[in-house]
Amino acid sequence: DAGVTQSPTHLIKTRGQQVTLRCSPISGHKSVSWYQQVLGQGPQFIFQYYEKEERGRGNFPDRFSARQFPNYSSELNVNALLLGDSALYLCASSPSYYGYTFGSGTRLTVV
Amino acid sequence: KNEVEQSPQNLTAQEGEFITINCSYSVGISALHWLQQHPGGGIVSLFMLSSGKKKHGRLIATINIQEKHSSLHITASHPRDSAVYICAVYNTDKLIFGTGTRLQVFP
Repeated sequence: DAGVTQSPTHLIKTRGQQVTLRCSPISGHKSVSWYQQVLGQGPQFIFQYYEKEERGRGNFPDRFSARQFPNYSSELNVNALLLGDSALYLCASSPSYYGYTFGSGTRLTVV
Repeated sequence: KNEVEQSPQNLTAQEGEFITINCSYSVGISALHWLQQHPGGGIVSLFMLSSGKKKHGRLIATINIQEKHSSLHITASHPRDSAVYICAVYNTDKLIFGTGTRLQVFP
């Protein structure tokens, strides 16, 4: 079985640009959550989606948005990129609310 | 004060040593995860606990709900155990992470 797949693995963007990160959950997993990990810190919760509905949102500005599709894959969008948005973005999927499996992450560098 | 605190922040050990990493939390939780993160970023879930103790190979995780404390033990440590170990608690609809413990095991 494929694990949680995130794309792209790395990308470089310029300040002010917009970025879309993608996540494909494990087959059968209906919950997807997104986390931001700045270098040297623990991950911070951004969003959780369950059955295509937003179930939780962390303390992030409105420049961050996400959605979950009927096949349970998910996209995270970040508008008007700032240097401080440079981080590893992790996606995790679970069958319901527990038992998370994490992807390898997308490393975003904003220059 | 962080809602999830880990200690120590950094840990160095010789191969074969017994290692303990501690996690204390201040919020109500439904479950607690121990995670392993290697350089490059990928996170692997080691354990999910809501009570008692779990064992997998050389790894043992315990949780005391009343004291809001969990420990991760590694017996007979090996250089391949070198990684960052992260405690995360499930609170309402989100995971809250500790800042991690960086473990280096030398041969």
